[in-house]
Parts: sequence; structure tokens; C-alpha cells
Amino acid sequence: DIQMTQSPSSLSASVGDSVTITCRTSESISTYLNWYQQKPGKAPKLLIHGASTLHSGVPSRFSGSGSGTDFSLTISSLQPEDFATYYCQQSYTTPRSGFGGGTKVEI
Amino acid sequence: EVQLVESGGGLVQPGGSLRLSCATSEFTFSSFAMSWVRQPPGKGLEWVSALSGSGATTFYADSVKGRFTISRDTSKKTLYLQMNSLRAEDTAVYYCAKRMFSSGDDTFDIWGLGTMVTVSS
Repeated sequence: DIQMTQSPSSLSASVGDSVTITCRTSESISTYLNWYQQKPGKAPKLLIHGASTLHSGVPSRFSGSGSGTDFSLTISSLQPEDFATYYCQQSYTTPRSGFGGGTKVEI
Repeated sequence: EVQLVESGGGLVQPGGSLRLSCATSEFTFSSFAMSWVRQPPGKGLEWVSALSGSGATTFYADSVKGRFTISRDTSKKTLYLQMNSLRAEDTAVYYCAKRMFSSGDDTFDIWGLGTMVTVSS
């Protein structure tokens, strides 16, 4: 199984800050890496797929990068609605995909 | 707008059974692979099971293999998850999720609202 290490597990930030979340996999997954946002009591929402492609309707302050084993999600100019938990997902081993442990972005 | 609506969750005793349903709309159900993903209270996401777009192939996480069965009724546009021999560790919110592209990897672009399953005596 591909192990996924997401860091940090939580972070505190302020509106307007830029934050970066990283996701590392135990073996190369090319760019089969997706990012989701989840708010309390809600289903996850797709933000970025293929490591760097912004999903339709997602604000451009979200960006993703990386390939192989190291990936990152950056939120530039954090907005109040961005406070949530973020998960990475490797889809290289589809359909047995795996998720990172999550990063909670708090005020 | 594509929607997924799960139902069938509830409280069940260890060893019991439940059948979850995921009703879909507005897309060609038989063209897309579908998955179930669960989330224990306060924890992260775990892929559980998948059904190919053709409906011919099923996949399961090791933690549920032999106990859970995924299926669908194309005429009703409904995906199911039959869960038997339930354990306390199966307690979670269960989401159904749609693969974004009809072929390719499991990027999930549409998720249901989730249904809570609690396994407890």
C-alpha cells in the first residue's frame, strides 16, 4: 500500500495569509494526486486534480504543485470561507485510492 | 445539477446488517464508476468499495472484504452497499462518490451528503 503523509496536521492562520500544505507519498504516483476541502458536517469538495489542475468553480487563490512523491496545496490570501480541513488523495492505485490524514486550517 | 443522496444508515448491533442506498440523478449512471468512502467520527477519509462503470467489476478494501457487497440498479439509478457482520470499527459517515471521468483514475467530483452508521450494543 502507498503510505501518505500530510503535514501539518493543523495550522493557525489569519485572513489574508498564504498557507501551504504538503502531502508526501511512499512511492511515486506521477501526478495522480487530488486535493479536497471539507467543512464540518459536510461532504468533501474537489479542489484540485492531477496535482495542479483547478477544478471548475474553485477560486484561483487555490493552487497545487508537485509530482512523484512530493506535493503541495497553497492557498494565497486566505478567506474566511477557507477555514476547513484539507485532504490529499492518491488515485494512482485506482480504484483502491488512499487519503492523507488531513490538515485542519484554523483561525 | 448532479446530486447523490445516501440513505439507510442507522444504529445497528455488532454482527448486524444494513443496506445503504445512493440515489443519483442527472448523469448517465452506467457510464461512471462509483465508490463508497467512509469517515469515522473525528477522523479522516477511507475508501471502502468501488463498482466499475460497466457494473461488472467490484473492489473492496481489505477491512470490509467478505462482509460488504457493492451493487447497483441501473433502472433506479441507485448504488447500494450491503453491510453484513458489522463491527464497532465500521461506525462512520458513509459517502457515495462519483468518478469525474468515465475512464481514468478515481478523482471524485461529486459526493453525497453522507449517511451515518453506528455499530453499538
